[in-house]
Amino acid sequence: SAVISQKPSRDICQRGTSLTIQCQVDSQVTMMFWYRQQPGQSLTLIATANQGSEATYESGFVIDKFPISRPNLTFSTLTVSNMSPEDSSIYLCSVEDGGTGRGAYGYTFGSGTRLTVV
Amino acid sequence: ILNVEQSPQSLHVQEGDSTNFTCSFPSSNFYALHWYRWETAKSPEALFVMTLNGDEKKKGRISATLNTKEGYSYLYIKGSQPEDSATYLCASYTGGFKTIFGAGTRLFVKA
Repeated sequence: SAVISQKPSRDICQRGTSLTIQCQVDSQVTMMFWYRQQPGQSLTLIATANQGSEATYESGFVIDKFPISRPNLTFSTLTVSNMSPEDSSIYLCSVEDGGTGRGAYGYTFGSGTRLTVV
Repeated sequence: ILNVEQSPQSLHVQEGDSTNFTCSFPSSNFYALHWYRWETAKSPEALFVMTLNGDEKKKGRISATLNTKEGYSYLYIKGSQPEDSATYLCASYTGGFKTIFGAGTRLFVKA
């Protein structure tokens, strides 16, 4: 399966600022997925990033708050904009295993970014 | 709206104890059930992908069972070791090509 490098691993940010999280995959993949886990909550899909097209956002997540870039088939960034304490979460990027583009075989994840907004 | 529920939320056991936790998921539109192990500051690591009712999978001291008709899966750890301390996530992949994660069970194994 793929290997994903994610950075930063953690950060403490001031409210109102923005943080960009980067993920590098060791192989070319069509889709990359961005997840968030707020304290005590389930891992929730923010958006799906496709190379060459705009990201597809899940209900409750908008591009102005979480802009995503996908410049090539091995790299993606997620920006958390105008942060508030409610954005304190673990953010994970992932690719699906099995090559179906549907996630039936599960996912490989980056090591996560633990964000604290103060 | 689909919900995947995991219980307990957290669990403290002594080294050598055997333990198990539960994942409940909607049985309609079921395609696959995934278990992950997530250690702090590391990537979630896939443990099992289960698809068939009655499936049993095993990896070392960890095993899992699946009941798709009633919508639950159990994860068992035999003879827990401190290195088993982690969050165990389950996720249901549905016919809508969506994966819904539970909130995880946080396991603490004391030496």
